[in-house]
Amino acid sequence: NAGVTQTPKFQVLKTGQSMTLQCAQDMNHEYMSWYRQDPGMGLRLIHYSVGAGITDQGEVPNGYNVSRSTTEDFPLRLLSAAPSQTSVYFCASSYSRLAGGTGELFFGEGSRLTVL
Amino acid sequence: EDQVTQSPEALRLQEGESSSLNCSYTVSGLRGLFWYRQDPGKGPEFLFTLYSAGEEKEKERLKATLTKKESFLHITAPKPEDSATYLCAVRNSGGYQKVTFGTGTKLQVIP
Repeated sequence: NAGVTQTPKFQVLKTGQSMTLQCAQDMNHEYMSWYRQDPGMGLRLIHYSVGAGITDQGEVPNGYNVSRSTTEDFPLRLLSAAPSQTSVYFCASSYSRLAGGTGELFFGEGSRLTVL
Repeated sequence: EDQVTQSPEALRLQEGESSSLNCSYTVSGLRGLFWYRQDPGKGPEFLFTLYSAGEEKEKERLKATLTKKESFLHITAPKPEDSATYLCAVRNSGGYQKVTFGTGTKLQVIP
């Protein structure tokens, strides 16, 4: 049981490049989400999904795209990278409320992105 | 808008020296207050969920308590392996995924 797996762990991009951060979970969680963590700021929600085919915006969605074609995978796409997107990105998953979830989030180990 | 403020930003303790971390919050309709531990270079790891004022939860040397305005994470006789950043978060009634995190308290326990 690997939990939440993120790839890559480190990435350097040039301004304007695009890339996809991968996230996979093997716990059969309905809910998945992406956060970014910046120094002096709390984790901020980018996008989230309550199930396959359903996504919604969080607090800081601009410049990012998501899709959820399977329960297991929730990739985050940076469309045209900007230096302001330099951050550590965390994918998280959780059980739905219907499944008895209490909101507890299971996090991946993070993807550290630098945009030059 | 929900707000979570954690204090102190950093705390240095001698091994065995007990202390408390504070999490003050304002939220519209609390649906859970969460504590997480984050080690350097890792993702946050869940510790506790509290739902109502007066509730307490314990795990080894950690005890979390909740009032209507704040939560405390009490650390009793800490050990060096308790060194980490401790994050507090709240969920409001507006949505299951709408969680607001604080900036954390970085705890260092010195042998």
